[in-house]
Amino acid sequence: EAGVVQSPRYKIIEKKQPVAFWCNPISGHNTLYWYLQNLGQGPELLIRYENEEAVDDSQLPKDRFSAERLKGVDSTLKIQPAELGDSAVYLCASSMIAGGHNEQFFGPGTRLTVL
Amino acid sequence: AQRVTQPEKLLSVFKGAPVELKCNYSYSGSPELFWYVQYSRQRLQLLLRHISRESIKGFTADLNKGETSFHLKKPFAQEEDSAMYYCALRAGGSEKLVFGKGTKLTVNP
Repeated sequence: EAGVVQSPRYKIIEKKQPVAFWCNPISGHNTLYWYLQNLGQGPELLIRYENEEAVDDSQLPKDRFSAERLKGVDSTLKIQPAELGDSAVYLCASSMIAGGHNEQFFGPGTRLTVL
Repeated sequence: AQRVTQPEKLLSVFKGAPVELKCNYSYSGSPELFWYVQYSRQRLQLLLRHISRESIKGFTADLNKGETSFHLKKPFAQEEDSAMYYCALRAGGSEKLVFGKGTKLTVNP
């Protein structure tokens, strides 16, 4: 089992450019999360999907950020245009919500640097 | 609003010494508390959750609702315990995790 897969692992772009991150959750996990982790901070939830439905996107800056999980499996998080302050680690996690045992499993993250 | 506070950004102990990583939370309902750990060059992973009431890698944590705390303890620290530790809270009925800022534990030989 590969666990949660994220790509790319690192991305360097110039400000105002678009960028996209991809996440493949653990097979069978119906819930997918995108977190933002700034330097020296804990992860903060951006959006949560249950299957293909975004059930909590209250923390997603919708003016520049978008996400999709079209078939209820893989997900893409996009930033357009990127700003200097978007430099951070973007974490994807997945879980199987069933019977109260809904441990979140995290991916390795994508480290974004905006120049 | 839910909040998790980890007052120590850095904690350094010697091998064999006891270690306690502090976590305080703010939430008016019945929370579920977790400790996550991130070893160097590895991904964030669950260490333990309060409802399990188990010891993992020698670590224990007790939920103290009176003091709104969930401190992580180990009686004898090992060098391999060196890592970033994050305390997290999940509000009742929610799947959202709220994390603290983390404590970097260094266990010196």
